[in-house]
Amino acid sequence: QVQLQESGPGLLKPSQTLSLICTVSGGPISSGSFYWAWVRQPAGKGLEWIGRIHAGGNTFYSSSLKSRVTISVDTSKNQFSLKLNSVTAADTAVYYCAGGSRGYSFGLDHWGQGSLVTVSS
Amino acid sequence: DIQMTQSPSSVSASVGDRVTITCRASQDVGSWLAWYQQKPGKAPNLLIYAASNLEVGVPLRFSGSGSGTDFTLTISSLQPEDFATYYCQQANSFPHTFGQGTKLEIK
Repeated sequence: QVQLQESGPGLLKPSQTLSLICTVSGGPISSGSFYWAWVRQPAGKGLEWIGRIHAGGNTFYSSSLKSRVTISVDTSKNQFSLKLNSVTAADTAVYYCAGGSRGYSFGLDHWGQGSLVTVSS
Repeated sequence: DIQMTQSPSSVSASVGDRVTITCRASQDVGSWLAWYQQKPGKAPNLLIYAASNLEVGVPLRFSGSGSGTDFTLTISSLQPEDFATYYCQQANSFPHTFGQGTKLEIK
């Protein structure tokens, strides 16, 4: 059973870079038709799709965040990561890593528990 | 980007009630729509993919239908554990946008 776990700093100052890692266990990150994504959720608000990556490195980002976001994959460590530059208080949210085992069109069926990132001076 | 609009934003219902949540896409997404359930403090959980396919382990009281721009999630007989927030997500084209959510509350 594939499991995902986010890790990274929980507190940032404005203008810093958010860096989160998602460690995948229970199977290789490059297996089958799996793809990997990041989703965030500000407190009390809805889900926001940030971007996705395939093990081969192909990425797609949210239109509103693409100037600041980079998602990458490290198959040797079975991890994928999120970097978000120049953060502001508006980036304060729970960040989830997630995976879709059936391919791009079938939803995200594996989720991490979420990592709270707070941006505050 | 495709915009997803759910209605209602919140609904109150009782155990045993039948509840329907709708999701409308700003353009045709075919059958590429997913539904998630989220409980407070927890990650979302995939309920339905490709509009009408029940994820493994999801109770049969949940069902999904629709295609094109209009979709529904139906819970046939509400159970206490179903009170949560529900999100739709289009998976037809990137970015895979979510609806704003529907909070299902106990009446």
